[in-house]
Amino acid sequence: GENVEQHPSTLSVQEGDSAVIKCTYSDSASNYFPWYKQELGKGPQLIIDIRSNVGEKKDQRIAVTLNKTAKHFSLHITETQPEDSAVYFCASFPSGTYKYIFGTGTRLKVLA
Amino acid sequence: DADVTQTPRNRITKTGKRIMLECSQTKGHDRMYWYRQDPGLGLRLIYYSFDVKDINKGEISDGYSVSRQAQAKFSLSLESAIPNQTALYFCATSDRTGAYGYTFGSGTRLTVV
Repeated sequence: GENVEQHPSTLSVQEGDSAVIKCTYSDSASNYFPWYKQELGKGPQLIIDIRSNVGEKKDQRIAVTLNKTAKHFSLHITETQPEDSAVYFCASFPSGTYKYIFGTGTRLKVLA
Repeated sequence: DADVTQTPRNRITKTGKRIMLECSQTKGHDRMYWYRQDPGLGLRLIYYSFDVKDINKGEISDGYSVSRQAQAKFSLSLESAIPNQTALYFCATSDRTGAYGYTFGSGTRLTVV
């Protein structure tokens, strides 16, 4: 069935370093890939997304890349800060379907 | 006020009790969803609704029921709560295309003892 694999499950980085979270999707009909950040005690919040007609998208310190051939997409956070500590979820949205398929999440810890 | 509001935020209930979790939204979105979050398992879809008269089961609907009282309100019920329903529950909304991401509520932490 359709699924999204997300790695790593936990990631610790020093403040100022970069963090990369990777996802692989199975449904080639997927055409939209959002990333969510979930802070403690809060619901997931959309932070960046990319569509299948684009290879890369940046928003300040956050970027997402998409490799449609390999069915991979990744979240890149540069110059990490303590407030980046959270759980991050990737998701795919297969065209013509009714729901998103979520990865299992990555707990990012930024060490001061 | 939050775009998607869930009540209660936390609830402890006993095995066998009926409990209702409520969700209301001010986004004007047509679609509403209920998800369950467990450690290591990510977000799993319980039920979803495309409009007031269109309600569908998700991947883990057993033991749950829902009611879409209005476009803005979607409630989740546990008819007879059991301990393995202890989890964090999220309501989410999207526009009718579903292709611009979800807006999530802040969640309800439910503990069944």
